[in-house]
Amino acid sequence: DGGITQSPKYLFRKEGQNVTLSCEQNLNHDAMYWYRQDPGQGLRLIYYSQIVNDFQKGDIAEGYSVSREKKESFPLTVTSAQKNPTAFYLCASSTESGRASETQYFGPGTRLLVL
Amino acid sequence: GESVGLHLPTLSVQEGDNSIINCAYSNSASDYFIWYKQESGKGPQFIIDIRSNMDKRQGQRVTVLLNKTVKHLSLQIAATQPGDSAVYFCAENPVRGGSYIPTFGRGTSLIVHP
Repeated sequence: DGGITQSPKYLFRKEGQNVTLSCEQNLNHDAMYWYRQDPGQGLRLIYYSQIVNDFQKGDIAEGYSVSREKKESFPLTVTSAQKNPTAFYLCASSTESGRASETQYFGPGTRLLVL
Repeated sequence: GESVGLHLPTLSVQEGDNSIINCAYSNSASDYFIWYKQESGKGPQFIIDIRSNMDKRQGQRVTVLLNKTVKHLSLQIAATQPGDSAVYFCAENPVRGGSYIPTFGRGTSLIVHP
């Protein structure tokens, strides 16, 4: 089955701890994205990557970091600098981000909670 | 319409009714628009899309209308079913940094009563 997977489904973070959320896709997509979703809110863009070894900040990048060493993988690290990390995190991919008519495919999400 | 605070705009309908969900977008230069459906605890799923050179597009039980003059999108769902209960987002694809990066609205919660 082709698709996009995220793990874990639930993640607990202690104060001052860095945690990493996994996102993997086997759709052969070039572009990948991370969004944050808070209750009653839309999706806010954290980081995106159009190609391996390249990524750009989105609207709310502070307190987060990413890497794109492989086409299939785009892990997100929530650092201790992110003071309000509790949210639902969604990863998405698309064929490329250079075209207007690009549809994104979303993973099932990771819910991050602070202990 | 828009609302403030943590509560999503909500539309409640009876099973079998037609539903209309509205969305205002912000960028008049956007060329492509998408509606997504998000069920509780899951990622959004593509429903239907429309390009800016169209004003209407139909799918199976769904129709999207685009009014570029007032920057307004609507999603019409015919014969709404309980399985349609979800949050619906519209997204536009404006250019940012030389690429088309989707921007999402807040979403509307659709509740279908059997």
